[in-house]
Amino acid sequence: AQTVTQSQPEMSVQEAETVTLSCTYDTSENNYYLFWYKQPPSRQMILVIRQEAYKQQNATENRFSVNFQKAAKSFSLKISDSQLGDTAMYFCAFKPSGGGGNKLTFGTGTQLKVEL
Amino acid sequence: DTGVSQNPRHKITKRGQNVTFRCDPISEHNRLYWYRQTLGQGPEFLTYFQNEAQLEKSRLLSDRFSAERPKGSFSTLEIQRTEQGDSAMYLCASSFLDREGGGYTFGSGTRLTVV
Repeated sequence: AQTVTQSQPEMSVQEAETVTLSCTYDTSENNYYLFWYKQPPSRQMILVIRQEAYKQQNATENRFSVNFQKAAKSFSLKISDSQLGDTAMYFCAFKPSGGGGNKLTFGTGTQLKVEL
Repeated sequence: DTGVSQNPRHKITKRGQNVTFRCDPISEHNRLYWYRQTLGQGPEFLTYFQNEAQLEKSRLLSDRFSAERPKGSFSTLEIQRTEQGDSAMYLCASSFLDREGGGYTFGSGTRLTVV
């Protein structure tokens, strides 16, 4: 069974600053996918960024980037130039690759508040 | 296509009553998932369908819970004899089989309150 741990229940950052959200996971799988989802107060989960475990290059999507350390089983999210609209709950999620690996396992989330 | 649609958005019910939620996935997505999210927690997997077949159920899905996906299109999640512990957000998501690493598209959820 896989577990995902987000050790920061809450974080805050000033607008335009950079913030890093932490995520660690535990798995015996070699091939898998990792995701960061954002859940704004409107509640709909939105995919922010994804990483394939067999790719060494860290994924980047505009202001969002990840630091994927496979050996350490760490997958942190960096948000650059933080904006008020980034205020949300952020969930790290894991999905094994291959047959049967269909469900996402989520962490408990980090509530991020972007302040003026 | 406007994404994954869930109805109702909110449901308040008395303990012991039955409730049913509906999820309409993205039309070309052949996988559909149900998750439950309680306050301050991440979503927990309940069950998923590939087309009309229910392929996996979590142990969280007690015998009071049943899900269907007739004809592989929309899905319903029914909770019989509701209990206060069933109060949660019920999330539906869909994905496309051949895009394994593509993540899910979530609906806005149905918030259930059992009083």
